Amino acid sequence: AQSVSQHNHHVILSEAASLELGCNYSYGGTVNLFWYVQYPGQHLQLLLKYFSGDPLVKGIKGFEAEFIKSKFSFNLRKPSVQWSDTAEYFCAVNEADYKLSFGAGTTVTVRA
Amino acid sequence: NAGVTQTPKFQVLKTGQSMTLQCAQDMNHNSMYWYRQDPGMGLRLIYYSASEGTTDKGEVPNGYNVSRLNKREFSLRLESAAPSQTSVYFCASSRTGSNQPQHFGDGTRLSIL
Repeated sequence: AQSVSQHNHHVILSEAASLELGCNYSYGGTVNLFWYVQYPGQHLQLLLKYFSGDPLVKGIKGFEAEFIKSKFSFNLRKPSVQWSDTAEYFCAVNEADYKLSFGAGTTVTVRA
Repeated sequence: NAGVTQTPKFQVLKTGQSMTLQCAQDMNHNSMYWYRQDPGMGLRLIYYSASEGTTDKGEVPNGYNVSRLNKREFSLRLESAAPSQTSVYFCASSRTGSNQPQHFGDGTRLSIL
């Protein structure tokens, strides 16, 4: 099974600040990569995904992520956060099967 | 726009009691999944069903059973609940294919005393 590491457990920042959340995975072959977001009291929602093509992927709500194969990384970024971005963010990876492995999650708190 | 529907939303059990969590999806997805979410551990796959009629173990299957009743429904059963199974349980579904995103239900918060 994949090992997925999210480096930051809790990030606190002010509105308009830039956000970058790290994600590294262990498998060196072909992978599918996802970022999900869980707003307080809600279910997980897909932010963006990568499985081939341009390694810079754009998702919803102004988020983007860059796949760097040589670093086994898929970091999430947003240039300017809003209070409504307060949520828990999960990186997830699978190989050629259905078993999606999740990172432990990063809680992002945006202060108004 | 129901998507993935889970019932119940909350449940408290005593140790040793049994319980079935229900999940239904209306997106005509072939694949369905059960996860548990624990603080600091992300989501861990309990069981999944790649298609109707098949089920497979995930990362943490011990203490659970599943039934893929039909294409829409995938239930999770705790035969003899233990305090270690206190968690938030999420059901998800997806189209066939490992690159397909999964769609999640709202979760069931289960406490076992």
